[in-house]
Amino acid sequence: DTGVSQDPRHKITKRGQNVTFRCDPISEHNRLYWYRQTLGQGPEFLTYFQNEAQLEKSRLLSDRFSAERPKGSFSTLEIQRTEQGDSAMYLCASSPTGSSNEKLFFGSGTQLSVL
Amino acid sequence: KQEVTQIPAALSVPEGENLVLNCSFTDSAIYNLQWFRQDPGKGLTSLLLIQSSQREQTSGRLNASLDKSSGRSTLYIAASQPGDSATYLCAADPLDTDKLIFGTGTRLQVFP
Repeated sequence: DTGVSQDPRHKITKRGQNVTFRCDPISEHNRLYWYRQTLGQGPEFLTYFQNEAQLEKSRLLSDRFSAERPKGSFSTLEIQRTEQGDSAMYLCASSPTGSSNEKLFFGSGTQLSVL
Repeated sequence: KQEVTQIPAALSVPEGENLVLNCSFTDSAIYNLQWFRQDPGKGLTSLLLIQSSQREQTSGRLNASLDKSSGRSTLYIAASQPGDSATYLCAADPLDTDKLIFGTGTRLQVFP
């Protein structure tokens, strides 16, 4: 059990560029979440997957954002035409089944800076 | 809509003190209330999960209580140490959704 892995740890990009982040959940965890956290705030929900199915998307997830989990294992989060307001820590979390009262396991996050 | 609030926003204490962090939530329809620790620039580590039917959970020097009817949870840290310095976040798990609702956290500094 190597924990939730996120790549890259840091990303600096220019406004208007596209970026893609990757998350590898704990092996055999069926539920995978993406959250976004800005400085001094708690994490805000973006989207989640049950296996390969994306079951809910937040209104925060504009049409510039897309997430996939093609084989029910790793997930990617892409942001197109980045804006300065997209600068944040993007956190991935996983849990075994998604049942209530399961603990979430978080990765170390990807810190995005849009210049 | 569930809202979670944490007080105080920041706390600085000398080593050895016992301290209490507060969390309040507006909707009592929850599966559980969870406490996390976050070190600067890092992800979240789960500390304690209190199910809605439970009153408290303990892990080492940490004790979390839940009063669902009043919409409150507290995290008690006994004999604080410099290594406890971090941001502590609470999160409610509402019945009507599959996502956690987080507070803004309490930033704790324990000085020697």
